[in-house]
Amino acid sequence: DGGITQSPKYLFRKEGQNVTLSCEQNLNHDAMYWYRQDPGQGLRLIYYSQIVNDFQKGDIAEGYSVSREKKESFPLTVTSAQKNPTAFYLCASSSPRGNEQYFGPGTRLTVT
Amino acid sequence: AQTVTQSQPEMSVQEAETVTLSCTYDTSESDYYLFWYKQPPSRQMILVIRQEAYKQQNATENRFSVNFQKAAKSFSLKISDSQLGDAAMYFCAYRSAPNFGNEKLTFGTGTRLTIIP
Repeated sequence: DGGITQSPKYLFRKEGQNVTLSCEQNLNHDAMYWYRQDPGQGLRLIYYSQIVNDFQKGDIAEGYSVSREKKESFPLTVTSAQKNPTAFYLCASSSPRGNEQYFGPGTRLTVT
Repeated sequence: AQTVTQSQPEMSVQEAETVTLSCTYDTSESDYYLFWYKQPPSRQMILVIRQEAYKQQNATENRFSVNFQKAAKSFSLKISDSQLGDAAMYFCAYRSAPNFGNEKLTFGTGTRLTIIP
């Protein structure tokens, strides 16, 4: 089955630790995206990548980093510099001329 | 920058009735796409319907249809014959057309839809 996987579903970390969220897709999509969702808010774009080895900052990139070494993978690292890291994180992908984005199931990150 | 506004934080509808969710947006672009996504309690984002700005005809997907008013920058979602499975958060989203070189989605803050049995 083609789709987007995110792991783990729930993640717990202590404050001050970096943590990496996984996102893998087998849809052969070129573009991948990371969004953050907080209660009462819509999704906000953290980073996106339209091609391997290239990525751009979104609206709230501070405290986050990404890499895009393979077409299928777009991991997100939440660094200790991110002031409010507890949130729900969604990964998405789209085809080269695709109009819609397809989303993974999300990862709930809790930092205490 | 584009903005998307959903002015109804919560809506409720009786099962089998019709409900309309509102969305307005602000843009200076002439070509773009609009979407409605559904997020049920599982939190999986599911595409409900999309509309290309250059198309005058309103999009329809089974019980879901939109009322796209380009001049007014309005994009409402109508759900007919509401079912219990329609209960979810609904997000309106905007995306520039590919030739603008920016394909990110801009989301509204969502409308929580409750279905009353």
